[in-house]
Amino acid sequence: SAVISQKPSRDICQRGTSLTIQCQVDSQVTMMFWYRQQPGQSLTLIATANQGSEATYESGFVIDKFPISRPNLTFSTLTVSNMSPEDSSIYLCSVAGQGQPQHFGDGTRLSIL
Amino acid sequence: QQQVKQSPQSLIVQKGGISIINCAYENTAFDYFPWYQQFPGKGPALLIAIRPDVSEKKEGRFTISFNKSAKQFSLHIMDSQPGDSATYFCAASGTSGTYKYIFGTGTRLKVLA
Repeated sequence: SAVISQKPSRDICQRGTSLTIQCQVDSQVTMMFWYRQQPGQSLTLIATANQGSEATYESGFVIDKFPISRPNLTFSTLTVSNMSPEDSSIYLCSVAGQGQPQHFGDGTRLSIL
Repeated sequence: QQQVKQSPQSLIVQKGGISIINCAYENTAFDYFPWYQQFPGKGPALLIAIRPDVSEKKEGRFTISFNKSAKQFSLHIMDSQPGDSATYFCAASGTSGTYKYIFGTGTRLKVLA
């Protein structure tokens, strides 16, 4: 399966700032997904990012708060904008090739002070 | 209709015992059902998956049982080991496993030595 690298692995940020999380895959993949996971909780899909098109956001998530880029088939970024303590969470990237299951990175652990 | 209900929330099993985790869904359009294993500080890792055309799939000590008429599926871990202690998530997908997943709420398994 694909090797997925997320950066940073963790960060502590100030309220009102923004952080960009990177997701790099070692092979070309069709679909990339961004999830949020509160500690001890399940995964909630934020958006689906396909190369060459705008990201598709799930209910409750908006582009102004979570802008996503997908410049090529191996890379994507998620920005968490104007952060508040409620944004403290684990952000996970997953990838899927055509007809293949999703594989996840190890996540970015974000704390907002 | 998009929910996947998972039980139990937590499970304690003796070493060598059988761990059983259950999931139920409502949307008959779901056609791919993966299970993920997540260790603390790591992203979810694909464990085993099944499609509705079979009633059971086995990979090593892990077996998925699928009941299409009842819209239920379960994960059985035979000869459970302390190394199996992790959080397990079931999921359901509606488009051949490449589209977005709906995750269950997770089961925290602890296997006692």
